Amino acid sequence: NAGVTQTPKFQVLKTGQSMTLQCAQDMNHEYMSWYRQDPGMGLRLIHYSVGAGITDQGEVPNGYNVSRSTTEDFPLRLLSAAPSQTSVYFCASSRDRANYEQYFGPGTRLTVT
Amino acid sequence: GENVEQHPSTLSVQEGDSAVIKCTYSDSASNYFPWYKQELGKRPQLIIDIRSNVGEKKDQRIAVTLNKTAKHFSLHITETQPEDSAVYFCAASRGDYKLSFGAGTTVTVRA
Repeated sequence: NAGVTQTPKFQVLKTGQSMTLQCAQDMNHEYMSWYRQDPGMGLRLIHYSVGAGITDQGEVPNGYNVSRSTTEDFPLRLLSAAPSQTSVYFCASSRDRANYEQYFGPGTRLTVT
Repeated sequence: GENVEQHPSTLSVQEGDSAVIKCTYSDSASNYFPWYKQELGKRPQLIIDIRSNVGEKKDQRIAVTLNKTAKHFSLHITETQPEDSAVYFCAASRGDYKLSFGAGTTVTVRA
């Protein structure tokens, strides 16, 4: 199993550009989520999904969209990038309600200029 | 929502000594408390977790304690080694998948 994979590893955007961060897992996990990590602030939940076709907002959803058309994929879309979205983005998944452990992807470092 | 506070933000210990990191949470309905370790440039990885029906859990040199009444939990690392140097995050969840993380503690083990 590859586990949780993310692409790209690094990305530089100009203010106003849009892009999609890709996340995939091959463990047949129900739950997937996106976090952003900023210095001194831990990880903050952006959006999450409890299954295909179901998504919901986390703590910091503004400026981001998600969809979950398959169990495996959970892309994160930045609609109009802003410098405040410069961060490291982690995707994570967990099996189901009885198995809470979240497995993280390797992260995407995004810089918005 | 849940608010998790973590202290200290940095911790420097001599190799072989113990390290203790403390977290408090605000939501009395939280029932799952994991700890993650993140090495520089790497992804967070679960090192130990505890559920609210347990007061203490150990795994070799790592232990976690939970005080539900006071709403705080702690990570204890004994006999620290250089490879324990990393950022450690506590988190809390109501069992609905969503995790609220503390701000992190940077642990440095001095040789």
